[in-house]
Amino acid sequence: GAGVSQSPSNKVTEKGKDVELRCDPISGHTALYWYRQSLGQGLEFLIYFQGNSAPDKSGLPSDRFSAERTGGSVSTLTIQRTQQEDSAVYLCASSQGPNNEQFFGPGTRLTVL
Amino acid sequence: EDQVTQSPEALRLQEGESSSLNCSYTVSGLRGLFWYRQDPGKGPEFLFTLYSAGEEKEKERLKATLTKKESFLHITAPKPEDSATYLCAVHSSNKLIFGAGTRLAVHP
Repeated sequence: GAGVSQSPSNKVTEKGKDVELRCDPISGHTALYWYRQSLGQGLEFLIYFQGNSAPDKSGLPSDRFSAERTGGSVSTLTIQRTQQEDSAVYLCASSQGPNNEQFFGPGTRLTVL
Repeated sequence: EDQVTQSPEALRLQEGESSSLNCSYTVSGLRGLFWYRQDPGKGPEFLFTLYSAGEEKEKERLKATLTKKESFLHITAPKPEDSATYLCAVHSSNKLIFGAGTRLAVHP
């Protein structure tokens, strides 16, 4: 079956611009996660959505970052006024439930010039 | 604070040379330890979930084991296609806490 998909695969932007990253989870998965992986660093949790519950935003690094999940499916991660330190690979994952294994998409590589 | 430490950072093996990767963890109430494989430019690929000490799981040349403080990923007679970064993670609150990974290179 189809896995997690993300778009775009690569995004180059200028400092100060806003960007939107999209994630399509596996059909039927109620939990959706965003992580960030910087060069040479481990995966860093950003935000978690579970069904219709309020999202866990505890990993968002600043108020420039926000995310939404429409209709319990597709999610968009928005970064406003991008900074060079935002350059990283942004990974989306989904799972059948909060304690189940997470399946990752291919990621979006963001480069802020 | 929940924490995951992986060792070694990098490992170079000859084809057929078996070895083990280590994942030490500290977590309040283990609700799953996960192993992933990540190839360059790709997202992590799920390998195994372990839930309780003594549990073992196998897939082809890989076997994962779990104790109360650590997990091992044993690689038996590796092939060059096993070259990748192997990530260990524990479930903590609403997220996975990942280790920094072990970069494995298997040479023919």
